[in-house]
Formats: sequence, structure tokens, C-alpha cells
Amino acid sequence: NAGVTQTPKFQVLKTGQSMTLQCAQDMNHEYMSWYRQDPGMGLRLIHYSVGAGITDQGEVPNGYNVSRSTTEDFPLRLLSAAPSQTSVYFCASSYDHREGNSPLHFGNGTRLTVT
Amino acid sequence: KQEVTQIPAALSVPEGENLVLNCSFTDSAIYNLQWFRQDPGKGLTSLLLIQSSQREQTSGRLNASLDKSSGRSTLYIAASQPGDSATYLCAALVYGQNFVFGPGTRLSVLP
Repeated sequence: NAGVTQTPKFQVLKTGQSMTLQCAQDMNHEYMSWYRQDPGMGLRLIHYSVGAGITDQGEVPNGYNVSRSTTEDFPLRLLSAAPSQTSVYFCASSYDHREGNSPLHFGNGTRLTVT
Repeated sequence: KQEVTQIPAALSVPEGENLVLNCSFTDSAIYNLQWFRQDPGKGLTSLLLIQSSQREQTSGRLNASLDKSSGRSTLYIAASQPGDSATYLCAALVYGQNFVFGPGTRLSVLP
């Protein structure tokens, strides 16, 4: 199994550009989520989804959009990139986040720089 | 709001030592507590998951315990090796919310 796959691994954007970070999982997980990881701030939840067609905001949603049209895919869109969005982005999934025995699986991350 | 802290922030030990990493959380209404390992430039790898009804879990040289009443979890690493060098994070899955992560403990095991 591939697990959680994120693309691209690295990306440089200019301020105001848009892009989509891709996330796919092949484990039939209901729950998918996006985090950003910044030095001194830890992991912060951006958006999450508990199933196809259902998304919700996390701790830091401003400047990001998501959609979940299939169980497998959960793309994260930056509509107008800002330098404050320079970060490492992680996608994570689990079978059912409301179940106590479902570990969270992470992708390898996308390192984004906005100049 | 759930807050998760980890002590120490960084730890450097000689190879072979047994060590303990600490994780504290403020709200005991959790589904589970998970421990992760993160290598530089990589994603997080799940090490151990302790369900709310459990007291501990073991995997090889790793043992994690959970005390909900005191809001604490510990990760015990036996006979540490240089390959154990990484950042270790804990995360609590909170009822009605999502995973809340601690800031991590950066571990260096010296040969």
C-alpha cells in the first residue's frame, strides 16, 4: 500500500499566485486532514473531512480551501498565496477519527515557500 | 480547549540509556493518546496508540502509559540507540474535536 501520498514535495510561489496541494490515500480512510507545521508553533489543523462531501474548518483555515469529492482525495487550495503561508504542510488520515483505536497516518509533507 | 505540552523540549543521552518522555494534557475527555516519531524532513510515523480505556501499550523497546486522571502520558524507550534520534510528538484525540498535538521532544542519542 502507498499509504498517504502528497504532491509536490517542494514548491516555490510568488505572492498572489494560486496552487493546489494534492493528498491521496489508498486505505479507505473516512477521516482526512491538513496540518501546517511551523517552528515554535507545532502542528496546527487547517481543514478536515469526515467523509466524501463533508469538510470543516480547523484552527487556522483562513487563506485555504478544501473539497472532498471522493474518499481517496483531499486537495488543499491556496487561492492567493501570502508569505505567511510559507510552511511545511502535512496531510493525515485515519479510518474513523471518532474511534479510539484508529491511528493517524501522515504523508511526507510539502515544503512551500512564498516569496 | 485542550492543551498538550511535552517535557523536556530536548534531550541528549548516551547510547544504551533508558529514557522517559513526558506528555501532559488538560482535558481528560479523550478517545486516545498517540505517540509519533518525526525524522528531519519527513512526516510523522505513529509509534503507539493508547485507547481511553487502556493504561499502557508496548511495541519492542517502546512502552507508553496513560493516566487520564492526572492528564499524563509517558513514553519509555529502553536501551536507546543512535537510530532512535528524532523528534517525538504526542497527540490527544479529544471528544467532539480533533487531534491536539504537543510541541515535541527532540531526542539525540549519542554513540
